[in-house]
Amino acid sequence: GAVVSQHPSWVICKSGTSVKIECRSLDFQATTMFWYRQFPKQSLMLMATSNEGSKATYEQGVEKDKFLINHASLTLSTLTVTSAHPEDSSFYICSARPYQGTSNSPLHFGNGTRLTVT
Amino acid sequence: QKEVEQNSGPLSVPEGAIASLNCTYSDRGSQSFFWYRQYSGKSPELIMSIYSNGDKEDGRFTAQLNKASQYVSLLIRDSQPSDSATYLCAVKNKLIFGTGTRLQVFP
Repeated sequence: GAVVSQHPSWVICKSGTSVKIECRSLDFQATTMFWYRQFPKQSLMLMATSNEGSKATYEQGVEKDKFLINHASLTLSTLTVTSAHPEDSSFYICSARPYQGTSNSPLHFGNGTRLTVT
Repeated sequence: QKEVEQNSGPLSVPEGAIASLNCTYSDRGSQSFFWYRQYSGKSPELIMSIYSNGDKEDGRFTAQLNKASQYVSLLIRDSQPSDSATYLCAVKNKLIFGTGTRLQVFP
């Protein structure tokens, strides 16, 4: 149980275009999802907390107008990288906490999306 | 000071040995701690969670938490080559990750 599906698993796009990444909780509901970014040989950096039915909370230094997050339902959150640039090339990972979980519950991760901007 | 600190490694141990991974954290109020394993190019997968001082064992893995000293560790007994990965320590409900320790288990 507790499967998180992330799509696409990899994407290549041209500079200036936008890319949407989907994160779905397949067998549980998630009021909160988290979006991380990981550059090569670095740790996961939290970008934002996605809350169902409300605005996302962005971490310091993350541009909310560039990384648009929508959490329209209890099973789906999307991250749109707008006007992508080569420096946005990274491994993007979402995670989710089950609806019944407490704030101390572990998260369940999607398989990640490798974005390459040319 | 970083919120979560780990030695980046690599930590090399022979097959069958005990691998000891350490992590320190800065927020004394942290209540939840997790160890994740991440293979290259893959997402993290949960190994252990620990919330109380002391040891918690699960198979070959033992997590140790010392809130007074603000450290959490992971012991891997009978290390296998398949354990070779990066081990990430995480704290808090949003999961603030350390940089990870790369473990290499050689036959």
